[in-house]
Amino acid sequence: ELKVEQNPLFLSMQEGKNYTIYCNYSTTSDRLYWYRQDPGKSLESLFVLLSNGAVKQEGRLMASLDTKARLSTLHITAAVHDLSATYFCAVDRYGGSQGNLIFGKGTKLSVKP
Amino acid sequence: GEEVAQTPKHLVRGEGQKAKLYCAPIKGHSYVFWYQQVLKNEFKFLISFQNENVFDETGMPKERFSAKCLPNSPCSLEIQATKLEDSAVYFCASSPRTVSGANVLTFGAGSRLTVL
Repeated sequence: ELKVEQNPLFLSMQEGKNYTIYCNYSTTSDRLYWYRQDPGKSLESLFVLLSNGAVKQEGRLMASLDTKARLSTLHITAAVHDLSATYFCAVDRYGGSQGNLIFGKGTKLSVKP
Repeated sequence: GEEVAQTPKHLVRGEGQKAKLYCAPIKGHSYVFWYQQVLKNEFKFLISFQNENVFDETGMPKERFSAKCLPNSPCSLEIQATKLEDSAVYFCASSPRTVSGANVLTFGAGSRLTVL
């Protein structure tokens, strides 16, 4: 069965702290997507990781991909309240770019002062 | 436009009634996708189109669900004889898609269907 597993599913952090969200997947995909969803809102694309060893950074978020381990991480540095949201990772079911995405269950991040 | 426009935002139907949702993709995007989000976080792929042609329909419950993307019209997702378990948020997404690169989907705001 094709799976994308995220952990943790819930994360409560204090402002200023660092943490990492993990995303394991079972397909042979060489690309992985991270999305953010605010409550009641749509999905916003954060990162697209296209190859083994890819690392991308945007502000306090940094994502990396290890295709051999089938693992991606989303690292949060010095968290701020504005980062509170649910973060999803996703891979293409067929391992390519057909857009049939398998999503993880999401990590609900709550950043407290 | 630069956003994927979905209507209606909310739809309430009694069990057995029909529901129809609409999606206008970003201009110039040739791929359209429908996803269902249930239980707050579980996303399920339903169907995708390349222009007006079905590209991948492996996620569609064929008995009651149908979808179309016709030229010069919004795409639509229709559910005949809705059931309680169809209650979900239905997201439409579009992408320009590059063959060798990534397929970054831009999602609409979603249509919340409540079946009573």
